[in-house]
Amino acid sequence: QLQLQESGPGLVKPSQTLSLTCTVSGGSISSSRYCWGWIRQPPGKGLEWIGTIYYSGSTFYNPSLKSRVTISVDTSKNQFSLRLSSVTAADTAVYYCARQDTSHPYFDYWAQGTLVTVSS
Amino acid sequence: QTVVTQEPSFSVSPGGTVTLTCGLSSGSVSTSYYPSWYQQTPGQAPRTLIYSTNTRSSGVPDRFSGSILGNKAALTITGAQADDESDYYCVLYLGSGIVVFGGGTKLTVL
Repeated sequence: QLQLQESGPGLVKPSQTLSLTCTVSGGSISSSRYCWGWIRQPPGKGLEWIGTIYYSGSTFYNPSLKSRVTISVDTSKNQFSLRLSSVTAADTAVYYCARQDTSHPYFDYWAQGTLVTVSS
Repeated sequence: QTVVTQEPSFSVSPGGTVTLTCGLSSGSVSTSYYPSWYQQTPGQAPRTLIYSTNTRSSGVPDRFSGSILGNKAALTITGAQADDESDYYCVLYLGSGIVVFGGGTKLTVL
């Protein structure tokens, strides 16, 4: 059974960089059938796609966040990571990592989510 | 910028049928957008219901169905139950690796 788990600081100061890692267990991150995504949800609001990475390292980002987002993959650790720079209070959200099927581009497995608060 | 539209809220009676829709700010939704649907209850991660327009994810009961209705993607719940009361999100694939979430529909069963 595939499982994903986010890890990282729950509190980040304004103007700093938010960093999260998603560890994948029960399956290989290197499968060409899948890619790996980050999604977030501000408190009381809807879901927002942040970006996706393939095991090869190819990345696709939400145009509204592209200038601040970097997603990377570490196949040796079966992990992928999110970095979001110059954060503000508007970046406070529950951040989810998820697996995305490449042939039918949908998210089939989700992690439980982790709340990141931007505050001084 | 492409906006994916959903009804902000909807209500259905227990045992009733409800159809939620997913549209585009400009243009029509087709199967080429690979519409998918997710259910989310408060404090929980989303649960995948439907992908590629009308394929149910593993373990999803057949009272959930997806389709294209007119120029929108649609999620129909037949025989609504109390625990169907949730937020429902659609996702459209715009191509070139880009996906967009709709704003979500809050479904009330009463």
